[in-house]
Amino acid sequence: DAGVIQSPRHEVTEMGQEVTLRCKPISGHNSLFWYRQTMMRGLELLIYFNNNVPIDDSGMPEDRFSAKMPNASFSTLKIQPSEPRDSAVYFCASSPGQERTEAFFGQGTRLTVV
Amino acid sequence: GNSVTQMEGPVTLSEEAFLTINCTYTATGYPSLFWYVQYPGEGLQLLLKATKADDKGSNKGFEATYRKETTSFHLEKGSVQVSDSAVYFCALRARSGYSTLTFGKGTMLLVSP
Repeated sequence: DAGVIQSPRHEVTEMGQEVTLRCKPISGHNSLFWYRQTMMRGLELLIYFNNNVPIDDSGMPEDRFSAKMPNASFSTLKIQPSEPRDSAVYFCASSPGQERTEAFFGQGTRLTVV
Repeated sequence: GNSVTQMEGPVTLSEEAFLTINCTYTATGYPSLFWYVQYPGEGLQLLLKATKADDKGSNKGFEATYRKETTSFHLEKGSVQVSDSAVYFCALRARSGYSTLTFGKGTMLLVSP
């Protein structure tokens, strides 16, 4: 398997623009996570899907952020409008089962909002 | 709630030195425990795991033992290499219901020749 695939790897956008990050989880995995990593705050869980259903979105910063998982092989994280403080590395991870199993991470998307 | 506490870095060592990175956790029940490693510019990779008390996870010369009595999962390596320089994250995932991975803040390891 190719692992978790994220696109794009790098994104530079202007403040106020819409940004869409994409993730293809490992086939057969039924849990998907979006994390954000910054120097100041470390790794933060944004949202957790199980069987394509959002289970925990308490980490989504505000209404500007939204995430979807229309099917088992694709998820998106959208920021609209983007702000400079959204600059971070965004990771997608997938896991085979609901509990007691490790997650496999993608390479991340480095987002810079100028 | 669940939480993971790691020693703050950076940890600076010479090649072939002994490594310990401390990790303690708070969780209900008996979670699974993990160590992840992140090399510069890359995502997190699973280094090792343990799923029950007294289990020892090991990989690439690293090891950690699940200690329920002290709620700890310290990472050790007998002889570090320059290529081990990276950020190491301790994490847990609880058993109850739908559970997410909870990470510590990470510990940077710098190994010099």
